[in-house]
Amino acid sequence: GAVVSQHPSWVICKSGTSVKIECRSLDFQATTMFWYRQFPKQSLMLMATSNEGSKATYEQGVEKDKFLINHASLTLSTLTVTSAHPEDSSFYICSGIAGIGEQYFGPGTRLTVT
Amino acid sequence: AQSVTQPDIHITVSEGASLELRCNYSYGATPYLFWYVQSPGQGLQLLLKYFSGDTLVQGIKGFEAEFKRSQSSFNLRKPSVHWSDAAEYFCAVGAVTGTYKYIFGTGTRLKVLA
Repeated sequence: GAVVSQHPSWVICKSGTSVKIECRSLDFQATTMFWYRQFPKQSLMLMATSNEGSKATYEQGVEKDKFLINHASLTLSTLTVTSAHPEDSSFYICSGIAGIGEQYFGPGTRLTVT
Repeated sequence: AQSVTQPDIHITVSEGASLELRCNYSYGATPYLFWYVQSPGQGLQLLLKYFSGDTLVQGIKGFEAEFKRSQSSFNLRKPSVHWSDAAEYFCAVGAVTGTYKYIFGTGTRLKVLA
């Protein structure tokens, strides 16, 4: 299957700082990538859909100015959590679309804001 | 409204026993159907998918799933469970109609007894 990487896998930052998470499709080109947030023992919550070369589409309730998404190339999408607060602590997962509609997920990034 | 239901939040089986995880969906048309597995602290791995054709699909790790249109179900099965199968399993439905849209179930946590 297609491979998606995320970096970093774990990050701790202080409240008020910004954190960038990278999502790369390693062996396929992902025109569309998704960013999810997952709380402990819960399902995935879609945050936004990222399309290469265009603005991301955010789900209702997700602050686009807080969660900045850039899909600069067919293999890279980034999520920047700006002015992070403890409530932003979560597990963030990205995915890319390959084939005719299969999502392939990255390993996730654990963000802890202190 | 479109939805995915995984009725069982937790399932416990003995190693070597058979397994069936239930998934029911509500969707306007025949959707793309997926099963994913998530180990603790990890991203999601695609087990299998159904797009069209044979309603019994084979996946990785010995899993299979059967699409039953009349029951709006896509149950996941494995004839003999291994201890390493302990994980969280997510059913998802998707549609590709110009844009991609996916809905995930709430997940079923599988525990395997030695």
